[in-house]
Amino acid sequence: EVQLVESGGGLVQPGGSLRLSCAASGFTFSSKWMHWVRQAPGKGLVWVSRINSDGSSTQYADSVKGRFTISRDNAKNTLYLQMNSLRAEDTAVYYCAAPPYSSVWFPDCWGQGTLVTVSS
Amino acid sequence: EIVLTQSPATLSLSPGERATLSCRASQSVSSYLAWYQQKPGQAPRLLIYDASNRATGIPARFSGSGSGTDFTLTIDSLEPEDFAVYYCQHRSNWPPTFGQGTRLEIK
Repeated sequence: EVQLVESGGGLVQPGGSLRLSCAASGFTFSSKWMHWVRQAPGKGLVWVSRINSDGSSTQYADSVKGRFTISRDNAKNTLYLQMNSLRAEDTAVYYCAAPPYSSVWFPDCWGQGTLVTVSS
Repeated sequence: EIVLTQSPATLSLSPGERATLSCRASQSVSSYLAWYQQKPGQAPRLLIYDASNRATGIPARFSGSGSGTDFTLTIDSLEPEDFAVYYCQHRSNWPPTFGQGTRLEIK
């Protein structure tokens, strides 16, 4: 069974840091691009970042560029999102997503999401 | 950044009826468009990609059409489990963006 399981969310003060993890199983993780997408409470979906299969290429939304870093460990089948200098507007459910059966930019496998709350 | 505008914002229909959802792009995205379904408290679920290809396991009552700037998601004979929020998403350039969503509710 194809599965993504996020962890690492929680409550953090403005200016703080968190590292999200996404454990993948059921597909060849090392051959797939991976993505982070977030959703603020009651709002729509926003692409945060993507990484190619070997980790050599990344992209970020302007709103997180310079503060967030996406990475992966193909030996551990795990995707990461290091989030620094967090702001209230970063409060959201963060989903990791992968395209095991669809095309690279249209992920057909999503984790359950992990909630990040930035508040004092 | 390409803006995707979905209409209507809310669609009220009864089970068994046909739903037609629209997504318009601020510039051409060719056929690089997908549709997702999201239910409360759940992650999005990919329905259609590349404008008209059904994702694995998606029932045949879901279909997509369009190219360029105008796209349609059609759901034939609505089932009770189809009432949810639907988003379109392009991948024509970075960043991929989503529409604001159409809420499909039971009439």
